Amino acid sequence: EAGVVQSPRYKIIEKKQPVAFWCNPISGHNTLYWYLQNLGQGPELLIRYENEEAVDDSQLPKDRFSAERLKGVDSTLKIQPAELGDSAVYLCASSEGTSGGHGTDTQYFGPGTRLTVL
Amino acid sequence: AQSVTQLDSQVPVFEEAPVELRCNYSSSVSVYLFWYVQYPNQGLQLLLKYLSGSTLVESINGFEAEFNKSQTSFHLRKPSVHISDTAEYFCAVSEIQGAQKLVFGQGTRLTINP
Repeated sequence: EAGVVQSPRYKIIEKKQPVAFWCNPISGHNTLYWYLQNLGQGPELLIRYENEEAVDDSQLPKDRFSAERLKGVDSTLKIQPAELGDSAVYLCASSEGTSGGHGTDTQYFGPGTRLTVL
Repeated sequence: AQSVTQLDSQVPVFEEAPVELRCNYSSSVSVYLFWYVQYPNQGLQLLLKYLSGSTLVESINGFEAEFNKSQTSFHLRKPSVHISDTAEYFCAVSEIQGAQKLVFGQGTRLTINP
């Protein structure tokens, strides 16, 4: 069974440029998560989708970040424009979504996209 | 809101020695507890989790963790480590009655020396 796929694995851009990350979750997983991981820190949730609905985007900086999961499968996270402080690893995870929102689902993580903003 | 503190950012040990990675959490509600491992150049993988029942949980590769409610801790232990255990380990919590939101600690880098 294929795991969570993310692309690109690495991205280097100049500040003020736009950037997009793509995630394909494990087949059949209804819940999709985007996390931000700064160097030396644990991941922090940016947004969580249940199918195509964003049910928790409270930590997403909406002035420059956006995300979509139009058909409830793969997802795109965009930053426009990027700032120096956005340099980090962006992780995507998915889970079956069978626990009714009570947090028992195992989350499966992709390898991440390492973004460097110059 | 919950928070997780991993007390050691780096832990170097010799091969075949025992190891303990410490994790303390803070929460006003009951939580589930998790340990994730990140091997070099790989994504995070679930190592073990405590949901209910026995407070001692084990992984398939010899790690174990014990939930201590009075001390709000979930320390990870292994009696004898191998070179292949070199990785970064993350402790995480999620609310039992809340949404599926994992709150992670800062991570502990475990380095095994031969």
